[in-house]
Amino acid sequence: DQQVKQNSPSLSVQEGRISILNCDYTNSMFDYFLWYKKYPAEGPTFLISISSIKDKNEDGRFTVFLNKSAKHLSLHIVPSQPGDSAVYFCAASDFNKFYFGSGTKLNVKP
Amino acid sequence: ETGVTQSPTHLIKTRGQQVTLRCSSQSGHNTVSWYQQALGQGPQFIFQYYREEENGRGNFPPRFSGLQFPNYSSELNVNALELDDSALYLCASSWGEGVWYEQYFGPGTRLTVT
Repeated sequence: DQQVKQNSPSLSVQEGRISILNCDYTNSMFDYFLWYKKYPAEGPTFLISISSIKDKNEDGRFTVFLNKSAKHLSLHIVPSQPGDSAVYFCAASDFNKFYFGSGTKLNVKP
Repeated sequence: ETGVTQSPTHLIKTRGQQVTLRCSSQSGHNTVSWYQQALGQGPQFIFQYYREEENGRGNFPPRFSGLQFPNYSSELNVNALELDDSALYLCASSWGEGVWYEQYFGPGTRLTVT
């Protein structure tokens, strides 16, 4: 029973363009949504979060959008840089339990 | 500020054995969560400890157990190891009274069960 899904295992984008990573969820009780970036041989690194009462949160080049009616979350990276190449996980919290998607591998080509 | 550390880095065990994995939380954090990440999958929540008490549990059997110590470091114990327990085990710490949902992960322990 996967409550958080990332349906695109990989994404390739040209440097300088926009990267859009998507995530869908099923549980309407989730209160926070998060994005993590993971490099090989390292643990996931927290990127950005959004509360369920908001629909947008920005932090520099990273913007997260939340569409509660569609139960859909997206991460926009503008402009994309080669150093952004990593696996990106979306996650959702139901109070003190966390659910992760299976990840999207982003490749930013120079 | 010290980040989250985990030990050991790698471990090989035989089916039926028991294993203990260790985690030191980031300085100032009082909450630790443990995750299991199988190859090609996202982390799966095992449980969370807050101020030495279990504070939430995912869909893992009782042979997965844990402890949190007064210094907020933590242990994950797995009894009667099965082949499917082979995975990367991640711990993450956070500040339970503040931005509790922002978790900081360690590099993980790679467990192989043969």
